[in-house]
Amino acid sequence: KNQVEQSPQSLIILEGKNCTLQCNYTVSPFSNLRWYKQDTGRGPVSLTIMTFSENTKSNGRYTATLDADTKQSSLHITASQLSDSASYICVVSAKRGSTLGRLYFGRGTQLTVWP
Amino acid sequence: GAVVSQHPSRVICKSGTSVKIECRSLDFQATTMFWYRQFPKQSLMLMATSNEGSKATYEQGVEKDKFLINHASLTLSTLTVTSAHPEDSSFYICSARDPSGTGAYEQYFGPGTRLTVT
Repeated sequence: KNQVEQSPQSLIILEGKNCTLQCNYTVSPFSNLRWYKQDTGRGPVSLTIMTFSENTKSNGRYTATLDADTKQSSLHITASQLSDSASYICVVSAKRGSTLGRLYFGRGTQLTVWP
Repeated sequence: GAVVSQHPSRVICKSGTSVKIECRSLDFQATTMFWYRQFPKQSLMLMATSNEGSKATYEQGVEKDKFLINHASLTLSTLTVTSAHPEDSSFYICSARDPSGTGAYEQYFGPGTRLTVT
């Protein structure tokens, strides 16, 4: 069964601190993995997208890693800011022939940054 | 990046009425759009895939007669919730796939529509 599991479910950190969010998946065959940031009451916004051959990708203070062998990914946030408070969703895309496969969503990690 | 808009951002309707939600790709042509539903503290659940000029493909358990999808142009898809009931209250999000250039694998999400049925 294709699944995406995220941990922790929720996380509270102080402003300026770093944190790492985890994502494990069983989606196969694998196409790509994306991390999205979703503010409350808003749609998800893409942070990074990685294919099978990519191990790490950065977007400002966000750095995502991918280990396709162990089917694990992490999202590291550096020097957190109050505006980083949001739900971070791991999404894995499956291959399906020559067309883009469906997306499998994790439940997200709710990050709260306190001043 | 590409922009996807939704209208309205929030709507309150009475039980038994119908509500239409629009999803537009503003700066690219989207041959495929997707409709999701999200309940509080849950992940996005795909409801249906909308293909321009053809019938939508619905996920198992989603009533196609209740959730009418029309993808009449390359920039617009609409979701109509017919005979709405309180249990249809949810956050509805659309996304659009940009088939061109470097965005070939990217789906861009709209800001969502909060539907409340009283």
